[in-house]
Amino acid sequence: QKEVEQDPGPLSVPEGAIVSLNCTYSNSAFQYFMWYRQYSRKGPELLMYTYSSGNKEDGRFTAQVDKSSKYISLFIRDSQPSDSATYLCAMSLNTGNQFYFGTGTSLTVIP
Amino acid sequence: DADVTQTPRNRITKTGKRIMLECSQTKGHDRMYWYRQDPGLGLRLIYYSFDVKDINKGEISDGYSVSRQAQAKFSLSLESAIPNQTALYFCATSEKGLNTGELFFGEGSRLTVL
Repeated sequence: QKEVEQDPGPLSVPEGAIVSLNCTYSNSAFQYFMWYRQYSRKGPELLMYTYSSGNKEDGRFTAQVDKSSKYISLFIRDSQPSDSATYLCAMSLNTGNQFYFGTGTSLTVIP
Repeated sequence: DADVTQTPRNRITKTGKRIMLECSQTKGHDRMYWYRQDPGLGLRLIYYSFDVKDINKGEISDGYSVSRQAQAKFSLSLESAIPNQTALYFCATSEKGLNTGELFFGEGSRLTVL
């Protein structure tokens, strides 16, 4: 079993839709949870970061962590064509050590 | 200029050749990483270095070696390239003690081994 599981998609939605991206994990010791966004031919960039359980909101983006279910989510409201990218979840036991990445979900927002 | 620069961006080589991918950074970070990205497998850690004298193997280090020439430079070598090392390679940096644990990635080096 992989440490982090992520549905690869692809996911295609119309502009303005609410998008839900999810990851599950097996290691209950993970404490740091991140979402990276990767545009085509570019390196990943950090989008959202959450420590332990709970929600975090940043503009149109909301990250949720449910440690009891070992499940994390990223919600995108009012999706825009510029949100078209691959979204990777990542997690770690503590900062500075090994990060475990999901395989990434490819998202296309259609104008 | 990019904060994390990888060279070359694209490389095609033949089985058995020695290849070096280079990474330099201007962010002043102590920590540097090499990852490879494959479709369906995501990002996997090859090697990481927390400072010039500290080198650690990652998840998939077999067939690879690294050199940390300076705080700002971290190179990845394939001593004898094989086709299953065809992948997109990323260098990344992070700042010690930063609570977000954010990784800053270069734009990637696409390697094809024929």
